[in-house]
Amino acid sequence: GIQVEQSPPDLILQEGANSTLRCNFSDSVNNLQWFHQNPWGQLINLFYIPSGTKQNGRLSATTVATERYSLLYISSSQTTGSGVYFCAVEGDGGATNKLIFGTGTLLAVQP
Amino acid sequence: EPEVTQTPSHQVTQMGQEVILRCVPISNHLYFYWYRQILGQKVEFLVSFYNNEISEKSEIFDDQFSVERPDGSNFTLKIRSTKLEDSAMYFCASTLLAKNIQYFGAGTRLSVL
Repeated sequence: GIQVEQSPPDLILQEGANSTLRCNFSDSVNNLQWFHQNPWGQLINLFYIPSGTKQNGRLSATTVATERYSLLYISSSQTTGSGVYFCAVEGDGGATNKLIFGTGTLLAVQP
Repeated sequence: EPEVTQTPSHQVTQMGQEVILRCVPISNHLYFYWYRQILGQKVEFLVSFYNNEISEKSEIFDDQFSVERPDGSNFTLKIRSTKLEDSAMYFCASTLLAKNIQYFGAGTRLSVL
């Protein structure tokens, strides 16, 4: 099945700093989503981005489907942005339409 | 904005007991999912449901698990005889079209004692 790898596994930022999280996947995809899991465990949908670039406030994401990776840019990080960031993909082959999650990036934003 | 609703937010049960986790997907959605996340691990797919039947299930989804859409709005996950290792966060998700954005509920934290 499709493999999803995220890097870095852990990241510590000072408030106000910028960072880039990466998601590599092993096969072509029809769906790619970025999530933020908050300290209460909720999965917050950040982007649906199977290809191209999107921006939402201080966050932006780019997926280069032909090269099988996606990047999540965090600018001017805030302490409320701490938590785990997951990338999840859905392969374009056959009848499967389940999301395969990466292992996540644990982000800690320090004041 | 429409959202996926899950109840309860936290369920505590004794090993061997049956539990039913409930979800109300977004009203016009056609595809429904359950995912599981053991504490500290990644989110794993359990089962997908479309047109009143299971369309795909993972190895985790054994005979102890079942899903049902008893009416036009609810989507439930039943665990017949809970084990300690079933302790996890369970997420329900729905989507209108296959291979389109999946919307997740806030999750039910299941604790098996």
